Amino acid sequence: GIQVEQSPPDLILQEGANSTLRCNFSDSVNNLQWFHQNPWGQLINLFYIPSGTKQNGRLSATTVATERYSLLYISSSQTTDSGVYFCAVHNQGGSEKLVFGKGTKLTVNP
Amino acid sequence: DTEVTQTPKHLVMGMTNKKSLKCEQHMGHRAMYWYKQKAKKPPELMFVYSYEKLSINESVPSRFSPECPNSSLLNLHLHALQPEDSALYLCASSHRTSGRNEQYFGPGTRLTVT
Repeated sequence: GIQVEQSPPDLILQEGANSTLRCNFSDSVNNLQWFHQNPWGQLINLFYIPSGTKQNGRLSATTVATERYSLLYISSSQTTDSGVYFCAVHNQGGSEKLVFGKGTKLTVNP
Repeated sequence: DTEVTQTPKHLVMGMTNKKSLKCEQHMGHRAMYWYKQKAKKPPELMFVYSYEKLSINESVPSRFSPECPNSSLLNLHLHALQPEDSALYLCASSHRTSGRNEQYFGPGTRLTVT
């Protein structure tokens, strides 16, 4: 099956810093989502981005489908950005199974 | 409205109990999912219902029994669970149309089996 790798596994920042999270995948995809899981366990949709670039406030994401990677940019980080960021993909070919990476744990210190 | 609701938020049950988890969405989505998430791990798919029919069972033990009474509701019936089944159980839904299959997650039920 498709493999999803996220890096780095852990990231510690000071408030106000910028960061880039990476997601590599091993096969063609027709769905790629970025999620933020807050400390209470809620998975919050950040982006649906199988290709191209999107921006939402301080967050932006870029997926280069031909090179099989996606990047999540967080600018001017805040303590509320802390949590785990997951990348998840659907294989091209119609599978309903969303395959998650292991996540990046982000800690933003005041 | 992109909300998926789950009840209860927390559940403690003994190994001989029978309980049910409930999930509801009113987004007109035709696919619904159950995931299990252990601490410090990503969510793992358990079941997929597509147009109210079970389409994927990821070899889940029979002590977990899913049910989809209608297109808005999804239940997970629990019976004779083991302590290792303690986890966060997440429900999700999606449109299940060609091209876009974005999944939306509920807040989860944190289950403890004693």
